[in-house]
Amino acid sequence: AQSVTQPDIHITVSEGASLELRCNYSYGATPYLFWYVQSPGQGLQLLLKYFSGDTLVQGIKGFEAEFKRSQSSFNLRKPSVHWSDAAEYFCAVGAPPIGFQKLVFGTGTRLLVSP
Amino acid sequence: DTGVSQDPRHKITKRGQNVTFRCDPISEHNRLYWYRQTLGQGPEFLTYFQNEAQLEKSRLLSDRFSAERPKGSFSTLEIQRTEQGDSAMYLCASSLGLAGGRGGNEQFFGPGTRLTVL
Repeated sequence: AQSVTQPDIHITVSEGASLELRCNYSYGATPYLFWYVQSPGQGLQLLLKYFSGDTLVQGIKGFEAEFKRSQSSFNLRKPSVHWSDAAEYFCAVGAPPIGFQKLVFGTGTRLLVSP
Repeated sequence: DTGVSQDPRHKITKRGQNVTFRCDPISEHNRLYWYRQTLGQGPEFLTYFQNEAQLEKSRLLSDRFSAERPKGSFSTLEIQRTEQGDSAMYLCASSLGLAGGRGGNEQFFGPGTRLTVL
């Protein structure tokens, strides 16, 4: 069964500083990987996804993530954080494209941005 | 494309009452999912529809929960005899599955229905 670990519950970053949020997954094959962002009281917005091919994927709002099979990781990065990036970030893993495709989410990392 | 919508956005009920939530997916999406998110946790899968067929249910979905998607468009999630432990955000998502079961992994989420059981 799939599982996702986000080891950091909270991270505080100064505005303008770089950001890296960690995500480790467990899955028997090459998974589909996602990062979602959730603002307080809101639903989830997809930031980026990895299905196959280039292991460095670009997303919206200046985010990128790198798939590292050897480390079972899919860390999210941003070179310069803006105050509006403060939110909760969820990493998720999905099954291969054939058949049923629920997403399994990590417990999330709350990003705080200090002035 | 107006996105996934959910109604109501908030629901406060007393323990023992029944509640029903509605989800309207993106119009061309044939797959619909329900998730539950409790405070401080990530969303957890509840159930999944392909068109009008409910193809998978999580063990989290007790007998008090029922979901329908009668015409393969909108879906409803009903909770009977609510308990305080049912308090959570209920999220709906939809995706487009392609022929042969391919595709559909990019799920688009609605804003959620926050349920508070007193």
